[in-house]
Amino acid sequence: GAVVSQHPSRVICKSGTSVKIECRSLDFQATTMFWYRQFPKQSLMLMATSNEGSKATYEQGVEKDKFLINHASLTLSTLTVTSAHPEDSSFYICSAQTPPMEFFGPGTRLTVL
Amino acid sequence: GEDVEQSLFLSVREGDSSVINCTYTDSSSTYLYWYKQEPGAGLQLLTYIFSNMDMKQDQRLTVLLNKKDKHLSLRIADTQTGDSAIYFCAEKLLGSQGNLIFGKGTKLSVKP
Repeated sequence: GAVVSQHPSRVICKSGTSVKIECRSLDFQATTMFWYRQFPKQSLMLMATSNEGSKATYEQGVEKDKFLINHASLTLSTLTVTSAHPEDSSFYICSAQTPPMEFFGPGTRLTVL
Repeated sequence: GEDVEQSLFLSVREGDSSVINCTYTDSSSTYLYWYKQEPGAGLQLLTYIFSNMDMKQDQRLTVLLNKKDKHLSLRIADTQTGDSAIYFCAEKLLGSQGNLIFGKGTKLSVKP
């Protein structure tokens, strides 16, 4: 299947700092990418839908000023967690769509101290 | 509303078949998917089925769809220890922005 990469795979940061996570589709172009958050032993929670060249669509309850999404090209979307706090610690997973299939990145483990 | 349900755990012996079940509530599903997640990793797309199909087979994997009962199953033949993981059922709805609705995942344990 198609390959989606995420960087970094793991990041530890201090409270109040910002962290950027990159999501790339390596061998296909994706007009739509999605960002999910996964809590331990739970399913994926959709945070936002990212379309190339337009503003992201955020799910209810997700703060757009805190989770900045940029979809600069057909192969790259970034998620920036601004002013991170310990409650933002989680596993963040992106996916890229080439209809009807959706391929997921390996995830980024964020720990905020 | 949209809801996808799965049993949380399944335990089988190596070499047996595993059957993971999933039910969904929204009849406007267009595609249904099975993903595999190993610890600390992302989701791996195993297979998907279009909603007007009844069955799809791909090597050891067989997907059965009963649209009338809104029931999806994944059968893994000759289950191996490497199949131990969490399996997520997901649906894509007609008219949605394209995101998937996931179940909570079924943890498959394969005993030697």
